[in-house]
Amino acid sequence: SAVISQKPSRDICQRGTSLTIQCQVDSQVTMMFWYRQQPGQSLTLIATANQGSEATYESGFVIDKFPISRPNLTFSTLTVSNMSPEDSSIYLCSVDGWASGNYGYTFGSGTRLTVV
Amino acid sequence: KQEVTQIPAALSVPEGENLVLNCSFTDSAIYNLQWFRQDPGKGLTSLLLIQSSQREQTSGRLNASLDKSSGRSTLYIAASQPGDSATYLCAVTSDNQGGKLIFGQGTELSVKP
Repeated sequence: SAVISQKPSRDICQRGTSLTIQCQVDSQVTMMFWYRQQPGQSLTLIATANQGSEATYESGFVIDKFPISRPNLTFSTLTVSNMSPEDSSIYLCSVDGWASGNYGYTFGSGTRLTVV
Repeated sequence: KQEVTQIPAALSVPEGENLVLNCSFTDSAIYNLQWFRQDPGKGLTSLLLIQSSQREQTSGRLNASLDKSSGRSTLYIAASQPGDSATYLCAVTSDNQGGKLIFGQGTELSVKP
């Protein structure tokens, strides 16, 4: 299965600022997924990022708040913009293994964001 | 709309005990079901993947079963150890959800020495 390197692993940010999270995959993948996990909650999908097209956002998430880049088949970034304490969460990227015949999903190690 | 439920929400057992975690889903039209482990503040580690045509998968002390018709999966952990303490999440990909992962709320497991 794919190996994902996610950075940063954690950060403490001031409200009103932005943070960009990076995910690098060791193989080419068509789709990358970004999730948010609020404290004590399960994972919620933010958006799906395809290379060469705009990301598809889930209900309740907008591009102005969570802009995503997908410049190539191994890399993606998620920016959390104009942060407030409510954005304090773990953010995770994920890829599926369909192309390699492994039909499961692999996750990055997560970014633990605290907004103060 | 697919919904995934995990029971119990939390479980505390003494070391060495065998245990079962439960996962149920409302729509049986799934591609596969995956069990993950999450340590506090960390990412997800995939434990077992069961494709829709399979009934069970095993890895070491872990065994996961799938009953699509009843919308249920179980994760069996044999001879539990303190290192098994973590949150266990099940997730499904469904035909009518565009292949997205739909997660349960997780079971927080604590294994006491």
